[in-house]
Amino acid sequence: SYVLTQPPSVSVAPGQTARITCGGNNIGSKSVHWYQQKPGQAPVLVVYDDSDRPSGIPDRLSGSNSGNTATLAISRVEAGDEADYYCQVWDSSSDHVVFGGGTKLTVL
Amino acid sequence: EVQLVESGGGLVKPGGSLRLSCAASGFTFSSYSMNWVRQAPGKGLEWVSSISSSSSYIYYADSVKGRFTISRDNAKNSLYLQMNSLRAEDTAVYYCARVNSTFGTYYFDYWGQGTLVTVSS
Repeated sequence: SYVLTQPPSVSVAPGQTARITCGGNNIGSKSVHWYQQKPGQAPVLVVYDDSDRPSGIPDRLSGSNSGNTATLAISRVEAGDEADYYCQVWDSSSDHVVFGGGTKLTVL
Repeated sequence: EVQLVESGGGLVKPGGSLRLSCAASGFTFSSYSMNWVRQAPGKGLEWVSSISSSSSYIYYADSVKGRFTISRDNAKNSLYLQMNSLRAEDTAVYYCARVNSTFGTYYFDYWGQGTLVTVSS
């Protein structure tokens, strides 16, 4: 089955850029989606189809996808960005949804 | 406004059964595939099951196949998850999520607030 690998944690100072990676075999051939989840809340879609943002999501969040790595970048990081972030793909070979293990973003 | 409201969670003994419901509103329910996603305490998201708009296509994670059954009633704008032979490892918050699916892509654009299932003796 398809596996997505994320770093468990990423730390960044306010105002800097955080980059959260999502690794998978030839993930560049798939559409990658990203969710933000704050404690006690349901996940929220923040990036879909590699780099598109739903309405209401600030352009400080951006996504890219190539080769074996997809990346969610958050520029000008704020305290409110502190959350868990999950990548997700659809594995057409198994007709299963696959999530990465999640990355906890800490704002120092 | 799209709303998804789960219900039916609670405490159940190992080997027991539970039926979760998800009431949808604010969109044409019958036009969308729906999924269940769960999250064990302190853990990440785990996909559980998906069902297409007309119930023609149904898929399960290996961890629940043969024990859980997903279904929907488009006339009632409702999604269900029948959970049998429950195990301690099924303890989690269960979310229903609406699918946005076009050619080559499949993601969740709306989520419910979740319902907690606790399997314990």
